[in-house]
Amino acid sequence: AQKITQTQPGMFVQEKEAVTLDCTYDTSDQSYGLFWYKQPSSGEMIFLIYQGSYDEQNATEGRYSLNFQKARKSANLVISASQLGDSAMYFCAMSPVYSSASKIIFGSGTRLSIRP
Amino acid sequence: DVKVTQSSRYLVKRTGEKVFLECVQDMDHENMFWYRQDPGLGLRLIYFSYDVKMKEKGDIPEGYSVSREKKERFSLILESASTNQTSMYLCASNTGQGTYEQYFGPGTRLTVT
Repeated sequence: AQKITQTQPGMFVQEKEAVTLDCTYDTSDQSYGLFWYKQPSSGEMIFLIYQGSYDEQNATEGRYSLNFQKARKSANLVISASQLGDSAMYFCAMSPVYSSASKIIFGSGTRLSIRP
Repeated sequence: DVKVTQSSRYLVKRTGEKVFLECVQDMDHENMFWYRQDPGLGLRLIYFSYDVKMKEKGDIPEGYSVSREKKERFSLILESASTNQTSMYLCASNTGQGTYEQYFGPGTRLTVT
Protein backbone atom coordinates (compact mmCIF):
# COMPACT_ATOMS: atom_id res chain seq x y z
CA ALA A 1 0.00 0.00 0.00
CA GLN A 2 1.12 3.52 -0.68
CA LYS A 3 1.77 5.82 2.24
CA ILE A 4 3.15 9.30 2.88
CA THR A 5 4.67 10.17 6.25
CA GLN A 6 5.33 13.67 7.52
CA THR A 7 6.83 13.45 10.99
CA GLN A 8 6.89 17.17 11.82
CA PRO A 9 3.43 18.35 12.87
CA GLY A 10 4.73 21.89 13.43
CA MET A 11 7.87 23.97 12.89
CA PHE A 12 9.01 27.47 13.84
CA VAL A 13 11.66 29.17 11.71
CA GLN A 14 13.23 32.63 11.80
CA GLU A 15 12.51 34.81 8.78
CA LYS A 16 15.19 34.61 6.05
CA GLU A 17 16.44 31.24 7.24
CA ALA A 18 16.21 28.14 5.08
CA VAL A 19 13.82 25.41 6.19
CA THR A 20 13.51 21.73 5.35
CA LEU A 21 10.18 19.92 5.62
CA ASP A 22 10.53 16.16 5.86
CA CYS A 23 8.59 13.62 3.80
CA THR A 24 9.06 9.90 3.43
CA TYR A 25 6.97 7.62 1.29
CA ASP A 26 6.28 3.97 0.76
CA THR A 27 5.31 2.44 -2.56
CA SER A 28 5.92 -0.67 -4.59
CA ASP A 29 5.36 1.17 -7.84
CA GLN A 30 8.34 1.74 -10.13
CA SER A 31 6.97 4.96 -11.56
CA TYR A 32 5.42 7.62 -9.39
CA GLY A 33 5.27 11.34 -8.88
CA LEU A 34 5.86 13.35 -5.73
CA PHE A 35 4.22 16.69 -4.99
CA TRP A 36 4.27 19.41 -2.41
CA TYR A 37 1.26 21.63 -1.74
CA LYS A 38 0.91 24.71 0.44
CA GLN A 39 -2.30 25.54 2.29
CA PRO A 40 -2.46 29.08 3.74
CA SER A 41 -4.98 29.97 6.42
CA SER A 42 -7.45 30.94 3.66
CA GLY A 43 -7.82 27.24 2.90
CA GLU A 44 -6.96 26.81 -0.77
CA MET A 45 -4.37 24.20 -1.71
CA ILE A 46 -1.57 25.62 -3.84
CA PHE A 47 0.64 23.33 -5.94
CA LEU A 48 4.33 24.09 -5.33
CA ILE A 49 6.59 21.52 -6.95
CA TYR A 50 6.69 18.10 -8.64
CA GLN A 51 9.34 15.38 -8.84
CA GLY A 52 9.07 12.32 -11.06
CA SER A 53 10.61 9.10 -9.79
CA TYR A 54 12.81 8.81 -12.89
CA ASP A 55 13.96 12.41 -12.86
CA GLU A 56 17.68 12.43 -12.21
CA GLN A 57 17.85 16.02 -11.06
CA ASN A 58 16.09 17.45 -8.05
CA ALA A 59 13.17 19.69 -8.98
CA THR A 60 13.40 23.41 -8.29
CA GLU A 61 10.79 26.17 -8.52
CA GLY A 62 12.03 29.56 -7.40
CA ARG A 63 12.74 29.37 -3.66
CA TYR A 64 11.42 25.81 -3.48
CA SER A 65 13.51 22.74 -4.14
CA LEU A 66 12.76 19.08 -3.62
CA ASN A 67 15.56 16.99 -2.10
CA PHE A 68 14.76 13.63 -3.68
CA GLN A 69 16.59 10.59 -2.30
CA LYS A 70 15.07 7.59 -4.03
CA ALA A 71 16.96 4.90 -2.13
CA ARG A 72 15.81 6.39 1.17
CA LYS A 73 12.31 7.04 -0.20
CA SER A 74 12.42 10.62 0.95
CA ALA A 75 11.24 13.79 -0.78
CA ASN A 76 12.00 16.71 1.50
CA LEU A 77 10.93 20.23 0.59
CA VAL A 78 13.54 22.94 1.04
CA ILE A 79 12.46 26.58 1.20
CA SER A 80 15.32 29.02 0.91
CA ALA A 81 15.25 32.50 2.49
CA SER A 82 11.92 32.01 4.24
CA GLN A 83 9.38 34.82 4.26
CA LEU A 84 6.46 35.64 6.55
CA GLY A 85 4.10 34.63 3.74
CA ASP A 86 5.49 31.11 3.87
CA SER A 87 3.59 30.49 7.10
CA ALA A 88 1.09 27.76 6.16
CA MET A 89 0.37 24.05 6.22
CA TYR A 90 2.49 22.03 3.82
CA PHE A 91 1.44 18.68 2.42
CA CYS A 92 3.58 16.07 0.73
CA ALA A 93 1.74 13.83 -1.74
CA MET A 94 2.35 10.96 -4.15
CA SER A 95 0.70 9.63 -7.29
CA PRO A 96 1.39 6.64 -9.52
CA VAL A 97 2.20 8.25 -12.86
CA TYR A 98 0.69 5.40 -14.84
CA SER A 99 -2.77 6.12 -13.46
CA SER A 100 -5.02 8.00 -15.86
CA ALA A 101 -7.19 9.07 -12.96
CA SER A 102 -4.13 10.30 -11.11
CA LYS A 103 -5.21 9.46 -7.60
CA ILE A 104 -3.01 11.37 -5.15
CA ILE A 105 -2.25 10.29 -1.59
CA PHE A 106 -1.49 13.02 0.92
CA GLY A 107 0.52 13.09 4.12
CA SER A 108 -0.86 14.56 7.35
CA GLY A 109 0.90 17.87 6.83
CA THR A 110 3.41 20.14 8.60
CA ARG A 111 2.42 23.54 9.95
CA LEU A 112 5.22 26.00 9.27
CA SER A 113 5.34 29.27 11.20
CA ILE A 114 7.84 31.97 10.24
CA ARG A 115 8.97 34.29 13.03
CA PRO A 116 9.79 37.94 12.12
CA ASP B 1 -5.43 30.01 -15.06
CA VAL B 2 -7.34 26.98 -13.85
CA LYS B 3 -10.31 27.88 -11.75
CA VAL B 4 -12.13 25.48 -9.49
CA THR B 5 -15.09 26.88 -7.62
CA GLN B 6 -17.20 25.43 -4.86
CA SER B 7 -20.76 26.49 -4.17
CA SER B 8 -20.29 27.50 -0.53
CA ARG B 9 -17.37 28.42 1.75
CA TYR B 10 -19.35 27.69 4.92
CA LEU B 11 -22.38 25.51 5.42
CA VAL B 12 -24.34 24.54 8.52
CA LYS B 13 -26.79 21.64 8.31
CA ARG B 14 -28.79 19.56 10.74
CA THR B 15 -28.39 15.84 11.35
CA GLY B 16 -30.39 13.82 8.85
CA GLU B 17 -30.55 16.52 6.19
CA LYS B 18 -29.57 15.80 2.60
CA VAL B 19 -26.59 17.97 1.66
CA PHE B 20 -25.28 18.87 -1.79
CA LEU B 21 -21.79 20.25 -2.32
CA GLU B 22 -21.17 21.52 -5.83
CA CYS B 23 -17.85 21.89 -7.64
CA VAL B 24 -17.24 23.45 -11.05
CA GLN B 25 -13.99 23.65 -13.03
CA ASP B 26 -13.46 25.73 -16.14
CA MET B 27 -10.45 24.01 -17.77
CA ASP B 28 -12.08 21.03 -19.43
CA HIS B 29 -10.33 18.62 -17.05
CA GLU B 30 -11.20 14.96 -17.37
CA ASN B 31 -10.68 14.07 -13.72
CA MET B 32 -12.39 15.49 -10.66
CA PHE B 33 -11.98 14.60 -7.00
CA TRP B 34 -13.64 15.11 -3.64
CA TYR B 35 -11.57 15.06 -0.44
CA ARG B 36 -12.28 15.73 3.17
CA GLN B 37 -9.65 17.31 5.39
CA ASP B 38 -9.49 16.75 9.12
CA PRO B 39 -6.77 17.92 11.54
CA GLY B 40 -3.91 15.43 11.83
CA LEU B 41 -5.30 13.24 9.03
CA GLY B 42 -4.41 15.28 5.98
CA LEU B 43 -6.64 14.92 2.92
CA ARG B 44 -8.56 11.73 2.38
CA LEU B 45 -10.14 10.86 -0.96
CA ILE B 46 -13.90 10.28 -0.88
CA TYR B 47 -14.74 9.77 -4.57
CA PHE B 48 -13.27 10.65 -7.91
CA SER B 49 -14.52 10.74 -11.48
CA TYR B 50 -12.50 10.28 -14.67
CA ASP B 51 -15.32 11.00 -17.11
CA VAL B 52 -18.92 12.12 -17.28
CA LYS B 53 -21.18 9.66 -15.45
CA MET B 54 -18.13 7.66 -14.33
CA LYS B 55 -17.16 7.47 -10.68
CA GLU B 56 -14.84 5.50 -8.46
CA LYS B 57 -14.77 5.11 -4.70
CA GLY B 58 -11.85 6.59 -2.86
CA ASP B 59 -10.62 5.68 0.60
CA ILE B 60 -13.64 6.82 2.63
CA PRO B 61 -16.82 6.66 0.48
CA GLU B 62 -19.20 5.51 3.21
CA GLY B 63 -22.04 7.96 3.78
CA TYR B 64 -21.37 9.83 0.53
CA SER B 65 -22.40 9.64 -3.09
CA VAL B 66 -21.45 11.68 -6.14
CA SER B 67 -22.86 12.81 -9.43
CA ARG B 68 -21.16 13.95 -12.63
CA GLU B 69 -23.71 14.74 -15.31
CA LYS B 70 -21.52 17.31 -17.08
CA LYS B 71 -17.77 17.36 -17.53
CA GLU B 72 -17.27 20.62 -15.64
CA ARG B 73 -19.42 19.78 -12.61
CA PHE B 74 -18.91 17.23 -9.84
CA SER B 75 -21.34 17.05 -6.94
CA LEU B 76 -20.86 15.45 -3.54
CA ILE B 77 -24.01 14.29 -1.79
CA LEU B 78 -24.49 13.46 1.85
CA GLU B 79 -27.72 11.46 1.82
CA SER B 80 -28.34 11.86 5.56
CA ALA B 81 -25.82 14.14 7.22
CA SER B 82 -24.28 13.06 10.51
CA THR B 83 -22.14 14.94 13.00
CA ASN B 84 -19.07 12.89 12.08
CA GLN B 85 -19.27 14.41 8.60
CA THR B 86 -18.42 17.82 10.00
CA SER B 87 -15.25 18.65 8.09
CA MET B 88 -13.57 20.70 5.40
CA TYR B 89 -14.44 19.42 1.93
CA LEU B 90 -12.10 20.11 -0.95
CA CYS B 91 -12.77 19.59 -4.64
CA ALA B 92 -9.96 19.20 -7.17
CA SER B 93 -9.49 18.55 -10.86
CA ASN B 94 -6.71 17.64 -13.30
CA THR B 95 -6.15 16.62 -16.88
CA GLY B 96 -4.87 13.13 -16.24
CA GLN B 97 -1.86 13.91 -18.37
CA GLY B 98 1.57 15.35 -17.76
CA THR B 99 2.62 15.64 -14.15
CA TYR B 100 -0.89 15.08 -12.77
CA GLU B 101 -0.90 17.96 -10.31
CA GLN B 102 -4.37 18.67 -9.04
CA TYR B 103 -5.98 22.07 -8.88
CA PHE B 104 -8.09 22.73 -5.83
CA GLY B 105 -11.13 24.79 -5.03
CA PRO B 106 -11.29 27.02 -1.94
CA GLY B 107 -13.02 24.39 0.18
CA THR B 108 -16.36 24.15 1.97
CA ARG B 109 -16.37 24.00 5.73
CA LEU B 110 -19.42 21.93 6.63
CA THR B 111 -20.80 21.81 10.15
CA VAL B 112 -23.48 19.25 10.97
CA THR B 113 -25.34 19.94 14.22
